[in-house]
Amino acid sequence: EPEVTQTPSHQVTQMGQEVILRCVPISNHLYFYWYRQILGQKVEFLVSFYNNEISEKSEIFDDQFSVERPDGSNFTLKIRSTKLEDSAMYFCASQRDRFTEAFFGQGTRLTVV
Amino acid sequence: AQTVTQSQPEMSVQEAETVTLSCTYDTSENNYYLFWYKQPPSRQMILVIRQEAYKQQNATENRFSVNFQKAAKSFSLKISDSQLGDTAMYFCALSSRAGTASKLTFGTGTRLQVTL
Repeated sequence: EPEVTQTPSHQVTQMGQEVILRCVPISNHLYFYWYRQILGQKVEFLVSFYNNEISEKSEIFDDQFSVERPDGSNFTLKIRSTKLEDSAMYFCASQRDRFTEAFFGQGTRLTVV
Repeated sequence: AQTVTQSQPEMSVQEAETVTLSCTYDTSENNYYLFWYKQPPSRQMILVIRQEAYKQQNATENRFSVNFQKAAKSFSLKISDSQLGDTAMYFCALSSRAGTASKLTFGTGTRLQVTL
């Protein structure tokens, strides 16, 4: 069964460093999303991506964040200069079309020290 | 703005019993989807069940069913014959059909513990 794959599963980084979280969505899916979940809190939308551009972003998704789909398969989330409060679980999701359910990856746990 | 409210932070049920998790929501849209996602200790998000707002019939997936009350904006999840493997965090979520993409708005979750 096709699945969304995220790497790494856990990343520890120093405050101020850049991190790139990687996702391989399901191959025939057209809509891509990043969500984050701070420990013990609810899952929050960060950004949606369709047709090679951002279609919507939340207020969390400030200038420190960027997304791209460099090679037609990977979908990446970059945080330019990490802060302690960026520590969270980051989920990638993909969707065949916007009327079907989103499939989530297993998440990347980001720890900023 | 869309909001999803889950008023039960924690619930417990004995194995083989039935439990209902509550969810209310608010949206100005007329066409939308509602979901229940399960998050076990592994923290992966797993879709449990999906309901399209324009369908009056309540969705059912094996032991999982929903009670969708559109006028009341209520979307509860019933788990029948609870199993130990149902122990997880359960999130109610809403997505709109408007716009280019369909982001999910999640509730704060209900932690379900299934006991022997």
